[in-house]
Amino acid sequence: QSVLTQPPSASGTPGQRVTISCSGSSSNIGSNYVYWYQQLPGTAPKLLIYRNDQRPSGVPDRFSGSKSGTSASLAISGLRSEDEADYYCATWDDGLSGVVFGGGTKLTVL
Amino acid sequence: QVQLQQWGAGLLKPSETLSLTCAVYGGSFTNYYWHWIRQPPGKGLEWIGETNHGGSTKYNPSLKSRVTISGDTSRNQFSLKVNSVTAADTAVYYCARGRYGDYPYWGQGTLVTVSS
Repeated sequence: QSVLTQPPSASGTPGQRVTISCSGSSSNIGSNYVYWYQQLPGTAPKLLIYRNDQRPSGVPDRFSGSKSGTSASLAISGLRSEDEADYYCATWDDGLSGVVFGGGTKLTVL
Repeated sequence: QVQLQQWGAGLLKPSETLSLTCAVYGGSFTNYYWHWIRQPPGKGLEWIGETNHGGSTKYNPSLKSRVTISGDTSRNQFSLKVNSVTAADTAVYYCARGRYGDYPYWGQGTLVTVSS
């Protein structure tokens, strides 16, 4: 049982916009930055969004992040086949004094 | 360009000690925090803990009693030890640089299997 709650799966067709949610509490998302990762099969996670809504250099602007209260979202617009991957949210939890991850969302491009 | 390269034993028996090392290339070891994260087969990511160049550490409460993370600033390396492993410790283990969930740099991952 993960501290942060994500839907286990999401799907969309090429060109569509999909969103992935991440729900937490006041001790984690509510008081800290949220980070998003993309993990392709057999590879290490790749930082996709940092500090809620910032993109590292090289990440396409099709990826965007947002946060409101104790929830955060990752949006992917203009969906492409190469976006098929697992996506994780992460943040710091003040109560646990540690990093917590969401359970992950498997995105399928139909 | 910062690169993290990790290594360690990939097959352990129950009750043995897991030991992994991560070397940092192309960047300073000081002024940063160094983490271990694991991922059981087919499951999600789990934070294990962190250390910094000063030797301070934080651990996941669920693993704290069995885990030690330490750094060697002279070699730009840091290590993970997990005592008394069981099948539940079977996972891909990653080293990473960052703080508070922000990890722009990751090692390649090491699969550790615990089996009798």
